[in-house]
Amino acid sequence: GQQLNQSPQSMFIQEGEDVSMNCTSSSIFNTWLWYKQEPGEGPVLLIALYKAGELTSNGRLTAQFGITRKDSFLNISASIPSDVGIYFCAGQLSQGNLIFGKGTKLSVKP
Amino acid sequence: DGGITQSPKYLFRKEGQNVTLSCEQNLNHDAMYWYRQDPGQGLRLIYYSQIVNDFQKGDIAEGYSVSREKKESFPLTVTSAQKNPTAFYLCASSIGQIYGYTFGSGTRLTVV
Repeated sequence: GQQLNQSPQSMFIQEGEDVSMNCTSSSIFNTWLWYKQEPGEGPVLLIALYKAGELTSNGRLTAQFGITRKDSFLNISASIPSDVGIYFCAGQLSQGNLIFGKGTKLSVKP
Repeated sequence: DGGITQSPKYLFRKEGQNVTLSCEQNLNHDAMYWYRQDPGQGLRLIYYSQIVNDFQKGDIAEGYSVSREKKESFPLTVTSAQKNPTAFYLCASSIGQIYGYTFGSGTRLTVV
Protein backbone atom coordinates (compact mmCIF):
# COMPACT_ATOMS: atom_id res chain seq x y z
CA GLY A 1 0.00 0.00 0.00
CA GLN A 2 0.88 3.67 0.07
CA GLN A 3 3.64 4.76 2.43
CA LEU A 4 4.34 7.90 4.35
CA ASN A 5 7.90 8.47 5.51
CA GLN A 6 7.88 10.29 8.81
CA SER A 7 11.06 11.57 10.43
CA PRO A 8 12.65 11.60 12.81
CA GLN A 9 11.50 8.40 14.51
CA SER A 10 12.29 9.86 17.92
CA MET A 11 13.56 13.08 19.48
CA PHE A 12 15.01 13.86 22.88
CA ILE A 13 15.01 17.58 23.55
CA GLN A 14 15.41 20.07 26.39
CA GLU A 15 12.42 22.03 27.60
CA GLY A 16 12.22 25.33 25.75
CA GLU A 17 13.72 24.04 22.50
CA ASP A 18 11.88 24.15 19.19
CA VAL A 19 10.95 20.90 17.45
CA SER A 20 10.53 20.10 13.78
CA MET A 21 9.28 16.89 12.17
CA ASN A 22 8.11 16.04 8.68
CA CYS A 23 6.37 13.56 6.44
CA THR A 24 7.09 12.84 2.81
CA SER A 25 5.54 10.63 0.18
CA SER A 26 5.92 9.77 -3.46
CA SER A 27 2.17 10.34 -3.88
CA ILE A 28 0.22 13.58 -4.11
CA PHE A 29 -2.17 14.16 -1.21
CA ASN A 30 -5.30 16.29 -0.98
CA THR A 31 -5.25 16.51 2.81
CA TRP A 32 -2.58 16.42 5.51
CA LEU A 33 -3.38 15.94 9.16
CA TRP A 34 -1.25 15.93 12.30
CA TYR A 35 -2.22 13.96 15.41
CA LYS A 36 -0.73 13.63 18.90
CA GLN A 37 -1.01 10.47 20.95
CA GLU A 38 -0.30 10.41 24.67
CA PRO A 39 0.62 7.15 26.39
CA GLY A 40 -2.31 4.74 26.65
CA GLU A 41 -4.70 7.03 24.77
CA GLY A 42 -5.99 7.45 21.25
CA PRO A 43 -4.57 10.05 18.84
CA VAL A 44 -6.04 13.53 18.98
CA LEU A 45 -6.23 15.78 15.92
CA LEU A 46 -3.95 18.82 16.21
CA ILE A 47 -4.02 20.46 12.80
CA ALA A 48 -5.73 19.78 9.46
CA LEU A 49 -4.41 21.14 6.15
CA TYR A 50 -6.45 21.15 2.94
CA LYS A 51 -4.56 23.33 0.43
CA ALA A 52 -1.05 23.19 -1.01
CA GLY A 53 1.10 25.86 0.61
CA GLU A 54 -1.29 26.27 3.53
CA LEU A 55 0.36 27.27 6.80
CA THR A 56 -1.75 26.78 9.93
CA SER A 57 -1.04 27.42 13.59
CA ASN A 58 -2.59 26.05 16.75
CA GLY A 59 -0.96 27.73 19.73
CA ARG A 60 2.73 26.80 19.72
CA LEU A 61 2.18 24.36 16.86
CA THR A 62 2.58 25.28 13.20
CA ALA A 63 2.07 22.94 10.27
CA GLN A 64 2.45 23.40 6.53
CA PHE A 65 1.07 21.59 3.50
CA GLY A 66 3.96 21.35 1.04
CA ILE A 67 3.73 23.07 -2.32
CA THR A 68 4.34 19.81 -4.16
CA ARG A 69 1.50 18.20 -2.10
CA LYS A 70 3.88 15.35 -1.31
CA ASP A 71 5.05 16.55 2.08
CA SER A 72 4.12 18.30 5.28
CA PHE A 73 5.95 19.46 8.37
CA LEU A 74 5.03 20.22 11.96
CA ASN A 75 6.91 22.65 14.20
CA ILE A 76 6.50 22.99 17.95
CA SER A 77 7.97 26.13 19.47
CA ALA A 78 9.28 26.47 23.03
CA SER A 79 8.57 22.87 24.02
CA ILE A 80 7.18 22.04 27.46
CA PRO A 81 7.00 18.69 29.31
CA SER A 82 3.36 18.11 28.35
CA ASP A 83 4.38 18.03 24.67
CA VAL A 84 5.64 14.49 25.29
CA GLY A 85 3.93 11.89 23.11
CA ILE A 86 3.90 10.38 19.67
CA TYR A 87 3.08 12.68 16.75
CA PHE A 88 1.55 11.14 13.65
CA CYS A 89 1.14 12.63 10.23
CA ALA A 90 -1.70 11.37 8.05
CA GLY A 91 -2.40 12.04 4.42
CA GLN A 92 -5.32 11.41 2.15
CA LEU A 93 -5.28 10.79 -1.57
CA SER A 94 -8.16 11.90 -3.78
CA GLN A 95 -10.10 8.86 -2.60
CA GLY A 96 -9.67 6.34 0.12
CA ASN A 97 -8.79 6.17 3.76
CA LEU A 98 -6.19 8.15 5.65
CA ILE A 99 -2.62 6.86 5.40
CA PHE A 100 -0.60 7.25 8.60
CA GLY A 101 3.10 7.75 9.15
CA LYS A 102 4.83 5.59 11.76
CA GLY A 103 5.08 8.44 14.22
CA THR A 104 7.70 10.63 15.88
CA LYS A 105 8.18 9.95 19.57
CA LEU A 106 8.97 13.16 21.43
CA SER A 107 10.65 13.22 24.84
CA VAL A 108 11.19 16.51 26.68
CA LYS A 109 13.65 16.91 29.52
CA PRO A 110 12.62 19.52 32.09
CA ASP B 1 -20.88 15.48 24.83
CA GLY B 2 -20.36 13.59 21.58
CA GLY B 3 -17.55 11.12 21.39
CA ILE B 4 -16.35 7.64 20.64
CA THR B 5 -16.12 5.07 23.42
CA GLN B 6 -14.08 1.91 23.49
CA SER B 7 -14.49 -0.72 26.14
CA PRO B 8 -12.96 -2.26 28.06
CA LYS B 9 -9.71 -0.30 28.46
CA TYR B 10 -7.75 -3.44 29.35
CA LEU B 11 -8.61 -7.00 28.34
CA PHE B 12 -6.90 -10.25 29.18
CA ARG B 13 -7.71 -13.49 27.39
CA LYS B 14 -6.33 -16.96 27.18
CA GLU B 15 -4.81 -18.15 23.96
CA GLY B 16 -7.35 -19.81 21.68
CA GLN B 17 -10.34 -17.76 22.88
CA ASN B 18 -12.24 -15.32 20.73
CA VAL B 19 -12.70 -11.86 22.21
CA THR B 20 -14.87 -8.92 21.16
CA LEU B 21 -13.86 -5.28 21.56
CA SER B 22 -16.61 -2.70 21.75
CA CYS B 23 -16.70 0.63 19.90
CA GLU B 24 -19.63 3.04 20.15
CA GLN B 25 -19.94 6.59 18.79
CA ASN B 26 -22.62 9.24 19.22
CA LEU B 27 -21.14 11.69 16.70
CA ASN B 28 -23.54 10.60 13.94
CA HIS B 29 -20.52 9.66 11.84
CA ASP B 30 -21.07 7.40 8.85
CA ALA B 31 -17.62 5.82 8.66
CA MET B 32 -15.89 3.75 11.33
CA TYR B 33 -12.48 2.12 11.47
CA TRP B 34 -10.40 -0.34 13.49
CA TYR B 35 -6.64 0.02 13.80
CA ARG B 36 -4.01 -2.06 15.49
CA GLN B 37 -0.98 -0.39 17.04
CA ASP B 38 2.26 -2.16 17.94
CA PRO B 39 5.39 -0.38 19.21
CA GLY B 40 7.26 1.24 16.32
CA GLN B 41 4.69 0.05 13.77
CA GLY B 42 2.38 3.02 13.63
CA LEU B 43 -1.32 2.44 12.94
CA ARG B 44 -2.36 -0.47 10.76
CA LEU B 45 -5.90 -0.66 9.37
CA ILE B 46 -7.81 -3.84 10.20
CA TYR B 47 -11.36 -3.17 8.92
CA TYR B 48 -13.46 -0.17 8.00
CA SER B 49 -17.12 0.53 7.34
CA GLN B 50 -18.56 3.45 5.42
CA ILE B 51 -22.20 2.57 5.94
CA VAL B 52 -24.40 0.31 8.04
CA ASN B 53 -24.37 -3.36 7.01
CA ASP B 54 -21.27 -2.91 4.88
CA PHE B 55 -17.57 -3.19 5.71
CA GLN B 56 -14.25 -3.77 3.96
CA LYS B 57 -10.98 -5.42 4.88
CA GLY B 58 -8.00 -3.24 5.63
CA ASP B 59 -4.33 -4.14 5.41
CA ILE B 60 -4.27 -6.74 8.21
CA ALA B 61 -7.79 -8.27 8.37
CA GLU B 62 -6.72 -11.91 8.77
CA GLY B 63 -7.84 -13.32 12.12
CA TYR B 64 -10.34 -10.51 12.76
CA SER B 65 -14.05 -10.05 12.08
CA VAL B 66 -16.45 -7.11 12.39
CA SER B 67 -20.12 -6.26 12.09
CA ARG B 68 -21.96 -2.98 11.49
CA GLU B 69 -25.59 -3.55 12.36
CA LYS B 70 -26.08 -0.05 13.76
CA LYS B 71 -24.59 3.28 12.73
CA GLU B 72 -23.34 3.86 16.27
CA SER B 73 -21.59 0.54 16.81
CA PHE B 74 -18.67 -1.28 15.16
CA PRO B 75 -17.48 -4.22 17.32
CA LEU B 76 -14.27 -6.05 16.50
CA THR B 77 -13.79 -9.75 17.22
CA VAL B 78 -10.26 -11.04 17.57
CA THR B 79 -10.47 -14.72 16.71
CA SER B 80 -8.25 -17.58 17.68
CA ALA B 81 -6.92 -17.53 14.11
CA GLN B 82 -5.06 -14.27 14.82
CA LYS B 83 -1.48 -15.39 15.39
CA ASN B 84 -0.28 -12.51 17.52
CA PRO B 85 -3.30 -10.73 19.02
CA THR B 86 -1.59 -8.87 21.88
CA ALA B 87 -1.67 -5.20 20.88
CA PHE B 88 -3.31 -1.83 21.41
CA TYR B 89 -6.54 -1.53 19.40
CA LEU B 90 -7.95 1.81 18.31
CA CYS B 91 -11.38 2.55 16.92
CA ALA B 92 -12.09 5.73 14.95
CA SER B 93 -14.95 7.39 13.14
CA SER B 94 -15.39 10.14 10.57
CA ILE B 95 -18.19 12.04 8.84
CA GLY B 96 -16.90 10.79 5.52
CA GLN B 97 -13.62 9.59 4.12
CA ILE B 98 -12.33 13.06 3.32
CA TYR B 99 -12.37 14.39 6.87
CA GLY B 100 -10.13 13.73 9.85
CA TYR B 101 -10.84 10.81 12.10
CA THR B 102 -11.92 10.97 15.75
CA PHE B 103 -10.30 8.22 17.79
CA GLY B 104 -11.42 6.38 20.89
CA SER B 105 -9.07 5.94 23.83
CA GLY B 106 -8.14 2.39 22.85
CA THR B 107 -8.29 -1.14 24.26
CA ARG B 108 -5.12 -2.92 25.28
CA LEU B 109 -5.55 -6.64 24.64
CA THR B 110 -3.18 -9.10 26.24
CA VAL B 111 -3.39 -12.76 25.34
CA VAL B 112 -1.64 -15.19 27.65
